[in-house]
Amino acid sequence: SAVISQKPSRDICQRGTSLTIQCQVDSQVTMMFWYRQQPGQSLTLIATANQGSEATYESGFVIDKFPISRPNLTFSTLTVSNMSPEDSSIYLCSVKSYEQYFGPGTRLTVT
Amino acid sequence: RKEVEQDPGPFNVPEGATVAFNCTYSNSASQSFFWYRQDCRKEPKLLMSVYSSGNEDGRFTAQLNRASQYISLLIRDSKLSDSATYLCVVAHSGSGNTGKLIFGQGTTLQVKP
Repeated sequence: SAVISQKPSRDICQRGTSLTIQCQVDSQVTMMFWYRQQPGQSLTLIATANQGSEATYESGFVIDKFPISRPNLTFSTLTVSNMSPEDSSIYLCSVKSYEQYFGPGTRLTVT
Repeated sequence: RKEVEQDPGPFNVPEGATVAFNCTYSNSASQSFFWYRQDCRKEPKLLMSVYSSGNEDGRFTAQLNRASQYISLLIRDSKLSDSATYLCVVAHSGSGNTGKLIFGQGTTLQVKP
């Protein structure tokens, strides 16, 4: 199994600011994924973070808004830029090894 | 229309009851199918994969009907600890191994004593 940790676990931010979320995995994985879960909704894939190349973004998500770093095979960051209240969500990091594992999530509230 | 549709519930059932959840998916290219469980304020965790032949894991049985693009989950002898949101999840052709999953909105189950 893969053990995933995320920092911060939660934050309250003002609109217009940016927040960087960190994801650490206890083993090397090829691909890491960032999902968003808006209040009362299910999970939506934001992007796939590949080590050594640019992230691949899903429809509706852009690099300027959600820049991603993947410096090595165990770590990734997602930045939520120029935040608005609509960005209030849980952001989850995920990896695929034998099965798909999810981190505990970062609960973001934008005021 | 959402690609993966579930009845959000909630389903309120007594302990010991049998409950069934249904899910439909719209993309015929979907190749891999799963049920995930998500507890309140927790991350989703894989409950079971779903195969065309159907599969069973203890009190849980999952079925897939590719012709109807329909997935089901049956829980027998419900326990209080089964209370959670059950997420129907599909992956498209080739993406089952890449981790791009498409989630339904989830069905909430409340098991009462």
